[in-house]
Amino acid sequence: GQNIDQPTEMTATEGAIVQINCTYQTSGFNGLFWYQQHAGEAPTFLSYNVLDGLEEKGRFSSFLSRSKGYSYLLLKELQMKDSASYLCAKAGVVTGGGNKLTFGTGTQLKVEL
Amino acid sequence: EAGVTQFPSHSVIEKGQTVTLRCDPISGHDNLYWYRRVMGKEIKFLLHFVKESKQDESGMPNNRFLAERTGGTYSTLKVQPAELEDSGVYFCASSQEVGLRAFFGQGTRLTVV
Repeated sequence: GQNIDQPTEMTATEGAIVQINCTYQTSGFNGLFWYQQHAGEAPTFLSYNVLDGLEEKGRFSSFLSRSKGYSYLLLKELQMKDSASYLCAKAGVVTGGGNKLTFGTGTQLKVEL
Repeated sequence: EAGVTQFPSHSVIEKGQTVTLRCDPISGHDNLYWYRRVMGKEIKFLLHFVKESKQDESGMPNNRFLAERTGGTYSTLKVQPAELEDSGVYFCASSQEVGLRAFFGQGTRLTVV
């Protein structure tokens, strides 16, 4: 299987830091994406990791460990607008090419005052 | 630059009827993907076009689903006849090259009653 596991819900305080974890099966791995999705809107790209280590982009950072099948998304200086669903998605190696994504169910983050 | 657009945004049809969903990818994007999210579940891959060719349709649920991309521009996904379990949000995504990030549309929410 291609199970992608991430927590269903998280709550954090405005201004704080939150880490959303994601684990996946390592076979057929071709990269790890994080998307943000507000209710009723399109998932929007946040980050892509294909090599081990930390990728930093402003308030958001993403980490990958390929050997452990583990990634996390780190959100700093949380703002109310960061309340959304965060989707972890594994890109699979597909015969003939392609970038088929396998998604987790998403982590619903609620930012409170 | 216009993003990925999907039409309609919502559709409510009766069991046994036919529905056609449309996706207009970002201009110049050869790769077009269809995904579906059934309530309470994760977003799942349906199929992948490269230009007008079906590269991978391993995620299509059954032969009631037909996707086309004539001319390699917009794509349609037809469900005929629709069943109750087809209800969900159908997302379209496009990317310029294989392996690069996919841009998602807002989705079409299909309700079969």
